[in-house]
Amino acid sequence: DTAVSQTPKYLVTQMGNDKSIKCEQNLGHDTMYWYKQDSKKFLKIMFSYNNKELIINETVPNRFSPKSPDKAHLNLHINSLELGDSAVYFCASSHNPPGQNSPLHFGNGTRLTVT
Amino acid sequence: LAKTTQPISMDSYEGQEVNITCSHNNIATNDYITWYQQFPSQGPRFIIQGYKTKVTNEVASLFIPADRKSSTLSLPRVSLSDTAVYYCLVGDERAGNKLTFGGGTRVLVKP
Repeated sequence: DTAVSQTPKYLVTQMGNDKSIKCEQNLGHDTMYWYKQDSKKFLKIMFSYNNKELIINETVPNRFSPKSPDKAHLNLHINSLELGDSAVYFCASSHNPPGQNSPLHFGNGTRLTVT
Repeated sequence: LAKTTQPISMDSYEGQEVNITCSHNNIATNDYITWYQQFPSQGPRFIIQGYKTKVTNEVASLFIPADRKSSTLSLPRVSLSDTAVYYCLVGDERAGNKLTFGGGTRVLVKP
């Protein structure tokens, strides 16, 4: 049973296209995230949702739009893809009750290549 | 958020103990220290978390001195399968889990 699953695993597309990445977690967690990992292996948080509500929105272009239909799903839609969007995108979740630290559970990533 | 500094890479041999030290001079009172492990083509995986002194689980130990300005992840008797990138994170969930991972430490375990 995969706890945090994201699809597709690989995504190759051309500049200007619109694409989506889907994420689902079966851990019963309240909070979900999208991270971007660049070529230097730095993982930067992009968005975070808690019970379908956006709680973190870092400096990310408006072309990136997360959508959370329910607390088990957090999808990422990217419009007008650019070369610089090429990276590995990771979905994660955590139980995250307020005031308590809970570890992040990551999916296995989606490698996006924009040509 | 507290910034972390850790070595870029470390080499070791099977059966040895590997210790990775992370510096976090600006750690705040409410911050926890968390370590993750990442294998190629996989997402990071939680290893251990601590606030002070020593924490041990079935995978690793985490040593945190009294001033909490650094921490050391200890991997006992490593095997080839422990070859991975190890990330040290410092933060407080009440900051919204705005946790940005640094470059991590690449540990290569040789036979």
